Amino acid sequence: AQKVTQAQTEISVVEKEDVTLDCVYETRDTTYYLFWYKQPPSGELVFLIRRNSFDEQNEISGRYSWNFQKSTSSFNFTITASQVVDSAVYFCALSEYVGGFKTIFGAGTRLFVKA
Amino acid sequence: ETGVTQTPRHLVMGMTNKKSLKCEQHLGHNAMYWYKQSAKKPLELMFVYSLEERVENNSVPSRFSPECPNSSHLFLHLHTLQPEDSALYLCASNRDGNTEAFFGQGTRLTVV
Repeated sequence: AQKVTQAQTEISVVEKEDVTLDCVYETRDTTYYLFWYKQPPSGELVFLIRRNSFDEQNEISGRYSWNFQKSTSSFNFTITASQVVDSAVYFCALSEYVGGFKTIFGAGTRLFVKA
Repeated sequence: ETGVTQTPRHLVMGMTNKKSLKCEQHLGHNAMYWYKQSAKKPLELMFVYSLEERVENNSVPSRFSPECPNSSHLFLHLHTLQPEDSALYLCASNRDGNTEAFFGQGTRLTVV
């Protein structure tokens, strides 16, 4: 069964601090996809990144970076030099093929960045 | 603007009312989804449509009835709802099930 665990319910940091959001997943499939989405107060989830299970290269995009480790089934997300605009709920998601691709989301981590 | 538009943005309805939520995308996507987001609960997948055919129905009560008349439009018809159905209802679409999804801003539903 698929499962995505975001153990951190809420994180509060001060602006310019680095922060890492954890994501641990469970799947029996060898082919799967992992995602991170950001949900700002306006409500819509915004796509941040997609990784397939065969690509373990870490990725950096500006202040965002992602660490994918299959050995620990983790796909963690780090924001460097956080800013107030980073305040949002962040969701990790897993998609695998079960008679069609099915995506399951983690419970989300609410990030507060204080000025 | 993500390309997925939901209307209305807010809805208050009584338990005996009938209303519909609308979702529209012109991104050329083949799959559309309804999710429910309640306070302090994970995002719950309700329905999936792929090429206008329903492929997933996650044990959603029959008081929620989806409709997908074409690949660009998705509706969620509501009737005789309960107060616990109050939540943010999000629509999403993607090209295929394993690609990134684009979400609408949601309809904040309150059942009184």
